[in-house]
Amino acid sequence: DAKTTQPPSMDCAEGRAANLPCNHSTISGNEYVYWYRQIHSQGPQYIIHGLKNNETNEMASLIITEDRKSSTLILPHATLRDTAVYYCIVNYDKVIFGPGTSLSVIP
Amino acid sequence: AAGVIQSPRHLIKEKRETATLKCYPIPRHDTVYWYQQGPGQDPQFLISFYEKMQSDKGSIPDRFSAQQFSDYHSELNMSSLELGDSALYFCASSWDGGWAGGYNEQFFGPGTRLTVL
Repeated sequence: DAKTTQPPSMDCAEGRAANLPCNHSTISGNEYVYWYRQIHSQGPQYIIHGLKNNETNEMASLIITEDRKSSTLILPHATLRDTAVYYCIVNYDKVIFGPGTSLSVIP
Repeated sequence: AAGVIQSPRHLIKEKRETATLKCYPIPRHDTVYWYQQGPGQDPQFLISFYEKMQSDKGSIPDRFSAQQFSDYHSELNMSSLELGDSALYFCASSWDGGWAGGYNEQFFGPGTRLTVL
């Protein structure tokens, strides 16, 4: 069962930052927060993960609240190719895809 | 960089037939995962293997079986196919290395689209 709650859909203007929220109020101490995305019918793609510190890589930034009950994935300059379903996943030993957020980047 | 390879990419079968899907993980990855994604659904975890041993099991039907071979490639065998088995089947691989701090990121293949007629 998915342990996360995400908005079903979001829009973002091209070139602007996309901020995708995720609630994971039942997260336990040894569980990581992972983000994946799936562009239509392609294999899911790993984006970033974190435990309690904020993380940044070439694709995105992950902001985790101090109580670890929620996080935000930030795509700093969204492009049309970022249109995808974004999955926030919290688990210790398996990837359980729950209803993600369908992000539409609009020209 | 090498990616996860899945074959075939497309497969059409009749009801009650069998199908075998193959997955070749990224070199040096020791863990393989299988997922099923029905039309309009999220990927569902089926089964995983670490170092050729089954490591976890999800919602895999009894008609399905899988294994990981000595060269780390994996095969998903599906028997008595039903119309509802029509789906995208993804394989993913990761390097676990026995790390106890959670799991490492999974790298997904392009998927096999199975159509059962």
